[in-house]
Amino acid sequence: NAGVTQTPKFQVLKTGQSMTLQCAQDMNHNSMYWYRQDPGMGLRLIYYSASEGTTDKGEVPNGYNVSRLNKREFSLRLESAAPSQTSVYFCASSVTYTGELFFGEGSRLTVL
Amino acid sequence: AQSVTQLGSHVSVSEGALVLLRCNYSSSVPPYLFWYVQYPNQGLQLLLKYTTGATLVKGINGFEAEFKKSETSFHLTKPSAHMSDAAEYFCAVSDREGGSYIPTFGRGTSLIVHP
Repeated sequence: NAGVTQTPKFQVLKTGQSMTLQCAQDMNHNSMYWYRQDPGMGLRLIYYSASEGTTDKGEVPNGYNVSRLNKREFSLRLESAAPSQTSVYFCASSVTYTGELFFGEGSRLTVL
Repeated sequence: AQSVTQLGSHVSVSEGALVLLRCNYSSSVPPYLFWYVQYPNQGLQLLLKYTTGATLVKGINGFEAEFKKSETSFHLTKPSAHMSDAAEYFCAVSDREGGSYIPTFGRGTSLIVHP
């Protein structure tokens, strides 16, 4: 079972460039999430989608947009990358109303 | 609003010693509680969870945690550390405030195991 798959795993951008992180899950989960992980900060929620067709802001949404393309896919877009967005990004999914998350392997993004 | 505090960003133990990683939470409603482990350059995986019922929960790799409502704690323990336990550990809380269970994570504790 693939579980949660993120692409790309590594990316280097220049300030001002745009990119999209892709995420897909094959567990038929309703809810999907994007977190960022920074040293000493734990995981901070960027956006989430409780169900297909809905998206909501998390703790740190500024500079990001998301699209819940269908039940399987949830993408994160950086329209104009900034060095402060250098981070490791994790996509996760869950069955609604449990809070138990299943994570992808992460996407390491560097913005120069 | 829910929050999680993990005491100690780093915990160092000798192989064979007791492991104790501390987690305190705040929540206005009964919470679900989780411990996740992250090995280097990997995603997070679930160690154990508390939802309802027995307050002492057992997880993978010999870890267990006890939900203590009066202390708002969910500390993670393992009787005897192994070198392979070296990793980052995250405590998370989830409650139904606002109608959806959205997990909030602590800042993580790095477990270092010495030979």
